[in-house]
Amino acid sequence: EAGVAQSPRYKIIEKRQSVAFWCNPISGHATLYWYQQILGQGPKLLIQFQNNGVVDDSQLPKDRFSAERLKGVDSTLKIQPAKLEDSAVYLCASSSPGGTESYEQYFGPGTRLTVT
Amino acid sequence: AQSVTQLGSHVSVSEGALVLLRCNYSSSVPPYLFWYVQYPNQGLQLLLKYTSAATLVKGINGFEAEFKKSETSFHLTKPSAHMSDAAEYFCAVRGGGYQKVTFGTGTKLQVIP
Repeated sequence: EAGVAQSPRYKIIEKRQSVAFWCNPISGHATLYWYQQILGQGPKLLIQFQNNGVVDDSQLPKDRFSAERLKGVDSTLKIQPAKLEDSAVYLCASSSPGGTESYEQYFGPGTRLTVT
Repeated sequence: AQSVTQLGSHVSVSEGALVLLRCNYSSSVPPYLFWYVQYPNQGLQLLLKYTSAATLVKGINGFEAEFKKSETSFHLTKPSAHMSDAAEYFCAVRGGGYQKVTFGTGTKLQVIP
């Protein structure tokens, strides 16, 4: 089966610009996650969707970050305006509901964002 | 609340030697525990998971981990390191339901020929 797709793979922007990332989860996976991974750190959950509803966005900086998952399939994460400290890899993951498989997350390759 | 501590941000082993990567967790509910591997410029790949079944969990690429409740540990081991094992390894914990997964800070494994 096809894995989690993300685009773009790399993005360089100047501070105060805006940027958007796209994620297409594995077909049939109801749960979608966005993580931020700063160099030298583990991934930090930004937002979790169950279908097209938000389950957890407690660590999403809502003054500049937004995310949506229309129709419960693919998702976009936006940053506006970007700050230098937003430089990181943004990982998307998905998992399916029900059973022990629901605890297994499948990750995309990530988008490496550099803010200059 | 839940947390994960990975001891040692960098670990070096010789090819063919035992690999031991340490992970201790804290969780207010019975945890689900995971080890992920991340190769450069790639996403995370699940190595193995503990979901309250057998305490000794076998994963891919010859890795295994043992859940020890009394020590709140979930250390990752592999009897004989291979060059291809060089990567960064993350331990993660999750509570039940929709509780989020919390990752450790990672351990970078270097394999010396």
